[in-house]
Order: sequence, then structure tokens, then C-alpha cells
Amino acid sequence: GAVVSQHPSWVICKSGTSVKIECRSLDFQATTMFWYRQFPKQSLMLMATSNEGSKATYEQGVEKDKFLINHASLTLSTLTVTSAHPEDSSFYICSARDRGGPLEQYFGPGTRLTVT
Amino acid sequence: AQRVTQPEKLLSVFKGAPVELKCNYSYSGSPELFWYVQYSRQRLQLLLRHISRESIKGFTADLNKGETSFHLKKPFAQEEDSAMYYCASTSGGSYIPTFGRGTSLIVHP
Repeated sequence: GAVVSQHPSWVICKSGTSVKIECRSLDFQATTMFWYRQFPKQSLMLMATSNEGSKATYEQGVEKDKFLINHASLTLSTLTVTSAHPEDSSFYICSARDRGGPLEQYFGPGTRLTVT
Repeated sequence: AQRVTQPEKLLSVFKGAPVELKCNYSYSGSPELFWYVQYSRQRLQLLLRHISRESIKGFTADLNKGETSFHLKKPFAQEEDSAMYYCASTSGGSYIPTFGRGTSLIVHP
């Protein structure tokens, strides 16, 4: 089956620094990837939709200058949290749609970000 | 904007009891509907989608357009069914999914 990986699985950084999270589709091409934020025992909050070769589409309330998304290839999207603050601490999850497949999404395992 | 409603945040049942996790959607056309499951410390994964009309791990879900519902059912819950369940929908020509807030299912022995 389709597999999506994320790296790193967890990261601790200091306030004011930037952190990059990678999302890769391992055995399929993903023209569209999604970035979510998940708070403890809460639902997924869609942050942005990332399309290969074009600018990401951000959801209302998500700062695009703070959460930089790059989708440079059909198998890789990156999320960079710039000038991180403790309130950015969260679980970030990416998902991808198979270019030639149905509308279902394949999810990555998530990245736990802790900003101290 | 499309909405997906899962009215129960938590559902607690005993092993062997029937389970129904409710999901209602707001789109009036022909949406694609999905149930995703997240077991403890695992990634979200697709459980089933309405177009395939299949039963996975004993779960079924029927699309009721009149009630705009896509409830997930299982006649006899098992302890290993304990997980978070998310209903999701894509509407019309948009492939951007909308997720419900999730229902935590706990199956007691």
C-alpha cells in the first residue's frame, strides 16, 4: 500500500529558531499533500494544501509567513516553522493523495514539535 | 463551507455490544465520504469509503442521502476497536477534505 513518511518524528527547538519537517510519499507520486495540526485529544486542523510546483493554499487563520510550505517534487513537501514559539508546539501531520488514485489520503506518522 | 459533524466526542461500550458512530455532512450534492481510524500511537489510516461499499474489520457504513448521514456501525465491538474515528468528506469538485472532530471509541472488556 501507499506509504507516507515524515522526518523527523520528533524535534525540540529553542524559541526563535526555525524547524523544517519533511513529508515524503515513498511509493507513489503525490500532486497534492496536506498539512495538519493536531492538538491533544482534538481533531485535525487543516493548515494548508500543497500542490507540486505551485504555491500552497493556506486555510484561514494560518500565517503563511510563519508556516512555509514547499512542494518541490511529486514525492516531497516540506513545512518550515519559522521563528518558533512555545505556542507552536504541537503534532504536525502530513497526508498525500496518489496522483493516479482515488480521493483517499495516506497519512504520515506525524512530527511532534516542542518549542522551549 | 462544507461541514462534517460527529456529535459524540466519546463513546464507551462493553465488548460484544453494538456500536454506531454518527456522522452527518452538510453538502447537498454527491460527496465522497470516508471513515479514518487512528489507533493509539499509530498514524491515521483509511478504514472504509462509501464508494467501495465494503466491510472492514466488521465495520460498515451506509450513505443516507436523505439524512445526509454516513454512520459507522459494528454489531459486536471488540477491545481492539478502541481508537479515534474520524469521518471525512470531499464535496463536489473540491478534493480538499473536511474532517469531523473525531469520536473516541473505548471498548471495555
